[in-house]
Amino acid sequence: DQQVKQNSPSLSVQEGRISILNCDYTNSMFDYFLWYKKYPAEGPTFLISISSIKDKNEDGRFTVFLNKSAKHLSLHIVPSQPGDSAVYFCAASAGGNKLVFGAGTILRVKS
Amino acid sequence: ETGVTQTPRHLVMGMTNKKSLKCEQHLGHNAMYWYKQSAKKPLELMFVYSLEERVENNSVPSRFSPECPNSSHLFLHLHTLQPEDSALYLCASSQRRGGTTDTQYFGPGTRLTVL
Repeated sequence: DQQVKQNSPSLSVQEGRISILNCDYTNSMFDYFLWYKKYPAEGPTFLISISSIKDKNEDGRFTVFLNKSAKHLSLHIVPSQPGDSAVYFCAASAGGNKLVFGAGTILRVKS
Repeated sequence: ETGVTQTPRHLVMGMTNKKSLKCEQHLGHNAMYWYKQSAKKPLELMFVYSLEERVENNSVPSRFSPECPNSSHLFLHLHTLQPEDSALYLCASSQRRGGTTDTQYFGPGTRLTVL
């Protein structure tokens, strides 16, 4: 049973537009959420995180929104750039060092 | 070298072979992890070492044997693997700070193929 789900396997966006990547979770004990980005032949790299005491965290072009009642989070990238094309993983933690990952969403930003 | 390095980057082995994957972190972290990523599946946590002590073993078959000789090095010893063990094996490290969730930093992975 997958506790973290990324229901869109892929997303295609025009350069300059907004990319919205979604993630749903089922475990109400999760209190910390992270987004990682992965390029081919490289390991995942940390992008941005959010604690359950917040509903928004922003870092440059990247903003993560958390809706605890819906058990849903999303990553917004504005404006999208071709270099953002990668696989994006959502991960969640109930504290400690155990992360539960989603299956990833492939983002393609077209120029 | 910076960050987290893994060797080899690619490995092809037969089911009767014995091989080892190596991970080294240059970040001064005190926790290290092994993950498995099969095609189109989420990353699966296999093992966690904190201060060189194994603190998590996620029901991984005994044909996978981890070793953490010090806080900078982590090995995954492989023997009598099955074709379904073919996957990308990722190593990560983090700095443990009490009960909070720490950010994990990943290596590039070893692409393993079992024939």
